[in-house]
Amino acid sequence: ETGVTQTPRHLVMGMTNKKSLKCEQHLGHNAMYWYKQSAKKPLELMFVYSLEERVENNSVPSRFSPECPNSSHLFLHLHTLQPEDSALYLCASSQEGGGGNTIYFGEGSWLTVV
Amino acid sequence: GEDVEQSLFLSVREGDSSVINCTYTDSSSTYLYWYKQEPGAGLQLLTYIFSNMDMKQDQRLTVLLNKKDKHLSLRIADTQTGDSAIYFCAESTKGNTGKLIFGQGTTLQVKP
Repeated sequence: ETGVTQTPRHLVMGMTNKKSLKCEQHLGHNAMYWYKQSAKKPLELMFVYSLEERVENNSVPSRFSPECPNSSHLFLHLHTLQPEDSALYLCASSQEGGGGNTIYFGEGSWLTVV
Repeated sequence: GEDVEQSLFLSVREGDSSVINCTYTDSSSTYLYWYKQEPGAGLQLLTYIFSNMDMKQDQRLTVLLNKKDKHLSLRIADTQTGDSAIYFCAESTKGNTGKLIFGQGTTLQVKP
C-alpha cells in the first residue's frame, strides 16, 4: 500500500489537450514533489513544494504547471504537450526539517502524448 | 555536477545473494537510498543509510557504505523471484532531503 496516491494511473492525451495529474498524500508531510521518469534516463526532479510554496523549478517547460492548494494535494496541469513528454510522472512527499527524512513515492501516472 | 552511477543489469539464481553497486560523486551527500521499482509500479523505498554509518541491515537487506570511495552497495540475501525488479540508488544532501539524485537503475533478474 502507499501513503501517496496518484490519479489517473494512465492518461492518453493529444497535443492540444489540457489535462491534470493529481496527487494526494496521507502521511502528514509538509513537502511534495513531481519527478519525471523517461525511458533510458534517470529520474528527474521537476518541482518541489515546501509548506505549499514552490521552492524549486528545475527548468521545466511552461507547458507543465504545478499547483499545490494545500499540504496534502499536488497537481500537475498539462497543456500542449509534445510526444517526448510521454513518461511516468511520479509524485512524492516528505517531512522536511528535523535533521532527516525519507521520501515516499506514489505509483505514478503513465502519460502518453499522441 | 552531482552524479550517481549504477551497473544496468544483474542476473542471479534463486537462493543466491545479489549485490547491487552504486557510486556517487557528491561528497556532501547525507542520505543514500535504495528504491525498488516493479514493472508498471512506482518507487518503493527499501532502505536508506545516513552518511555517518558504514552498514545497515534490515532482514534480507544489507547496505554497505564506503564514504571514502563514495561507494554504496545493496546486498539481498536468499534472492527470490519476487525480488526481480529495477533497483535505484539515490542520494540527497542536507537541507535538500527531498531533492534526490538518482542512478539509472539496475535491473535484477532472478532465475529459478
